[in-house]
Amino acid sequence: NAGVTQTPKFQVLKTGQSMTLQCAQDMNHNSMYWYRQDPGMGLRLIYYSASEGTTDKGEVPNGYNVSRLNKREFSLRLESAAPSQTSVYFCASRHPPGLPRIGATDTQYFGPGTRLTVL
Amino acid sequence: KNEVEQSPQNLTAQEGEFITINCSYSVGISALHWLQQHPGGGIVSLFMLSSGKKKHGRLIATINIQEKHSSLHITASHPRDSAVYICAVGAYSGAGSYQLTFGKGTKLSVIP
Repeated sequence: NAGVTQTPKFQVLKTGQSMTLQCAQDMNHNSMYWYRQDPGMGLRLIYYSASEGTTDKGEVPNGYNVSRLNKREFSLRLESAAPSQTSVYFCASRHPPGLPRIGATDTQYFGPGTRLTVL
Repeated sequence: KNEVEQSPQNLTAQEGEFITINCSYSVGISALHWLQQHPGGGIVSLFMLSSGKKKHGRLIATINIQEKHSSLHITASHPRDSAVYICAVGAYSGAGSYQLTFGKGTKLSVIP
């Protein structure tokens, strides 16, 4: 299993450009999440998808859109990038509660992150 | 909205020391998570607990639901434990989905 994968790992955009961050998981998880991480702040939820075909806003959704293409894939789109969107973006998926866990611990699995700079 | 506070923000320890990181939250939760973020940026889940205590190797996590407080302990610390440790609290939203609220993290440096 590859776990949660994200592309690209790094990206530099100019203000006003658009791009899509891709996320995929191969663990058959229902729930998927997009977070951003900024210096001095905790991870903040942008959007989430509880299951295929559903998406909902999190704490900081402005300036973003998402698509849950299928059970595996959950993409995050910036339509018109702004410098305030410079951040590290993490995708995560969640193992359903009540089912045997993979490994010793928790239910949240994170991708490696995408470092985005908007000039 | 749940407020999650971690202390200390930064911690430097000598190899072999016993380390404690604290986390407090303001509103009742379904579970509390401890995560580790490596210097390279990757995030790994360490524990999820809703009561009592869990142990995994040299790591121990405890939670006191009544006091809304959790601690992460590292015994016999090692330089490879150097990382940012993040506390997060989980709860179900009105729509029934499970969401995490994160603390700002504790940066741990273990010196040989």
